Amino acid sequence: NAGVTQTPKFQVLKTGQSMTLQCAQDMNHNSMYWYRQDPGMGLRLIYYSASEGTTDKGEVPNGYNVSRLNKREFSLRLESAAPSQTSVYFCASNTQGFADTQYFGPGTRLTVL
Amino acid sequence: QKEVEQDPGPLSVPEGAIVSLNCTYSNSAFQYFMWYRQYSRKGPELLMYTYSSGNKEDGRFTAQVDKSSKYISLFIRDSQPSDSATYLCAMSGPTSGTYKYIFGTGTRLKVLA
Repeated sequence: NAGVTQTPKFQVLKTGQSMTLQCAQDMNHNSMYWYRQDPGMGLRLIYYSASEGTTDKGEVPNGYNVSRLNKREFSLRLESAAPSQTSVYFCASNTQGFADTQYFGPGTRLTVL
Repeated sequence: QKEVEQDPGPLSVPEGAIVSLNCTYSNSAFQYFMWYRQYSRKGPELLMYTYSSGNKEDGRFTAQVDKSSKYISLFIRDSQPSDSATYLCAMSGPTSGTYKYIFGTGTRLKVLA
């Protein structure tokens, strides 16, 4: 039981490049989330998927797109990376949406030059 | 004004001390209150989960919620060097027809051996 896994662990991009961050969970959770964590800003919700087949914007969605590929997998795409997207990205999942505790992956450290 | 305020620290205490970590919030609709622990370069992990007001104890950890004052606390008894981490408060509840899940910015704790 791996919980929530994320790939890659680290990534360096140049401005304008694109990439996809992958997330998978093996806990049969319905809901999945993408956050970014920046110093002094805490965790901010980018997008979430309440259930398979649905996605919704969070607090800071601009510059990102998501895909809920199936119940297990939720990917985050940066189409044209900008230095302001340098951050640590966390994927999380849970059973009952926002009234439930969330289980986090280990994070992806992204640097955009 | 942020919806959730948390002192960033760092807070340094000697081993064996009682640690008090706190968060204040402004949204009276919050119903669920969580404390997460985050070690350096890791994802947050749930420590405590409480619903509405009151106390909850789990081993050396006690979570308190005072909804009338919009104030939550986490107490750590007999603190250990292994407790050195960043502690994030989080809370959720219905807001304007949707659900919000908000994290504090985290308090860095250092327990000195």
